[in-house]
Amino acid sequence: AQKVTQAQTEISVVEKEDVTLDCVYETRDTTYYLFWYKQPPSGELVFLIRRNSFDEQNEISGRYSWNFQKSTSSFNFTITASQVVDSAVYFCALSGGSNDYKLSFGAGTTVTVRA
Amino acid sequence: DAGVIQSPRHEVTEMGQEVTLRCKPISGHNSLFWYRQTMMRGLELLIYFNNNVPIDDSGMPEDRFSAKMPNASFSTLKIQPSEPRDSAVYFCASSLAMGEAQPQHFGDGTRLSIL
Repeated sequence: AQKVTQAQTEISVVEKEDVTLDCVYETRDTTYYLFWYKQPPSGELVFLIRRNSFDEQNEISGRYSWNFQKSTSSFNFTITASQVVDSAVYFCALSGGSNDYKLSFGAGTTVTVRA
Repeated sequence: DAGVIQSPRHEVTEMGQEVTLRCKPISGHNSLFWYRQTMMRGLELLIYFNNNVPIDDSGMPEDRFSAKMPNASFSTLKIQPSEPRDSAVYFCASSLAMGEAQPQHFGDGTRLSIL
């Protein structure tokens, strides 16, 4: 069974602070895919990144960066120099190997960035 | 390109009524997913289709829920009869299934309230 744990329920920071969101996953698949989604207050779910289990390179996209560590089954997400517009719920999700398209979502972490 | 289109955006109805939610996936996508989001249970996959065929409906709560995908550009999720505990945000998502998990793109959701 696939499981995603986001232990942090809520994080509150002041603008320009960095914030790191933790994601720990469980799977028996050797091939799997990890995702992050953002849900702003308006309610839509926005895809941020996909990473497959064979690619452990960290990735940076603007102020966003992701740290994938297979050894600890973690796929953490950092927002650098946070802005008020980053306030949202962030979900980590896991999908299994070939031909398994289902996403198992974590419970989400609510990030509040205060001006 | 148009994203996933869901209708209605909001639905308020009385207990016992039939509710039909509609979804138009992104053109060219061959996988379609229905999710339900509540505070208590988070994001739950209800059912997903691949090439218009239901692949996994294990998340459908009970017989009151049914989903169809008569063609590649349309799907419905029906609840009959509806109950107050069905109140939630229902999301439809689509992706291009190519043997490995691809990002799912979500519609804006239908906020359903059963009185």
